[in-house]
Amino acid sequence: DTGVSQNPRHKITKRGQNVTFRCDPISEHNRLYWYRQTLGQGPEFLTYFQNEAQLEKSRLLSDRFSAERPKGSFSTLEIQRTEQGDSAMYLCASSPLGVREQFFGPGTRLTVL
Amino acid sequence: AQSVTQPDIHITVSEGASLELRCNYSYGATPYLFWYVQSPGQGLQLLLKYFSGDTLVQGIKGFEAEFKRSQSSFNLRKPSVHWSDAAEYFCAVAGFKNNDMRFGAGTRLTVKP
Repeated sequence: DTGVSQNPRHKITKRGQNVTFRCDPISEHNRLYWYRQTLGQGPEFLTYFQNEAQLEKSRLLSDRFSAERPKGSFSTLEIQRTEQGDSAMYLCASSPLGVREQFFGPGTRLTVL
Repeated sequence: AQSVTQPDIHITVSEGASLELRCNYSYGATPYLFWYVQSPGQGLQLLLKYFSGDTLVQGIKGFEAEFKRSQSSFNLRKPSVHWSDAAEYFCAVAGFKNNDMRFGAGTRLTVKP
């Protein structure tokens, strides 16, 4: 078990570009979560999946943000038309059903120039 | 709505000294409570959790935390700090029905030699 992995680890982009991040959860973890963490703050919940179903997406920051988990395994988080305010660490976590603690990946650090 | 307050942004302790990091939560029922640690550039690692039962919980790396319902607190303690404990510490709360976690802003721990 290699834990939750995220790719890329760092992404630098120009304002207005689209970016996509990938998260591979721990094998057989049904739930997958996305968080955003800005400097000096704790992680902020964005969305979560149970298998392939996105059960909560009202906390996505704007309609520029979207997430998918097409086969219930890995997930992608896309940000369209990036803005400088999107610069942050994007964290992914996973958990088995019935387990409250979440297991976090190393994160993807996004810098929007 | 659930929320978490970590009153101390930054704490400095000497190696070998005791440590207490404060956490206060707001939640309408008995919450699920967690402490995570984050080293620079890394994801979050779970230190310990409280769901029910004994209000003093033991975690990894010699940490413990005590749930005090009357004070809405879940403070983290360690009797003797090691230089490797220098990191950012986050308290988090989750509800029975909710699947997201709310995190505090974190406390940065510096360990003096």
